[in-house]
Amino acid sequence: NAGVTQTPKFQVLKTGQSMTLQCAQDMNHNSMYWYRQDPGMGLRLIYYSASEGTTDKGEVPNGYNVSRLNKREFSLRLESAAPSQTSVYFCASSERTGGPYGYTFGSGTRLTVV
Amino acid sequence: GQQLNQSPQSMFIQEGEDVSMNCTSSSIFNTWLWYKQDPGEGPVLLIALYKAGELTSNGRLTAQFGITRKDSFLNISASIPSDVGIYFCAGQGDSNYQLIWGAGTKLIIKP
Repeated sequence: NAGVTQTPKFQVLKTGQSMTLQCAQDMNHNSMYWYRQDPGMGLRLIYYSASEGTTDKGEVPNGYNVSRLNKREFSLRLESAAPSQTSVYFCASSERTGGPYGYTFGSGTRLTVV
Repeated sequence: GQQLNQSPQSMFIQEGEDVSMNCTSSSIFNTWLWYKQDPGEGPVLLIALYKAGELTSNGRLTAQFGITRKDSFLNISASIPSDVGIYFCAGQGDSNYQLIWGAGTKLIIKP
């Protein structure tokens, strides 16, 4: 099925460990996004990529890095995980930023940092 | 910066009841989107609104783009058990092409 695929679905890290969350979309979308979701806080934008080769900070970028590997793939890296990064992470894509384009979301990665 | 207030935070309703929720913005939006998130899944787009005053339906769901362009409403008629989940509004304004998200309304159906 067409859509956004995230891996892994679940991950437990120890404080200080690093990991990369993977995201791929097969809808030929130009723009991709990484969000985190915490209880009662809705969705907060970490980083986004308006098009292949570009990335920009969102609302909560500290502690994260991203790579837009190609048009399909957008990865999120935690270099040194902290308990405050325990959250559910969602990748999304849209035809482009700007304009009334809805986002398609992956099913999320549930990350726990102990 | 732009802010979205979504209310209520949660709703406990009986099956068959109608549901209403809304979002208000501190500034004007050009687009309003309503999403639903099922447990363990990502949000899925329900309804998109592009014009002030627009009223759009998707089955038992009806959403309206407020005439002031600073609010939007979502109504669900005759709720059923599969309506449970978190409903998010999102808006896009002139000065920021990123979507601004509400904090969500959690819908719970009482047994």
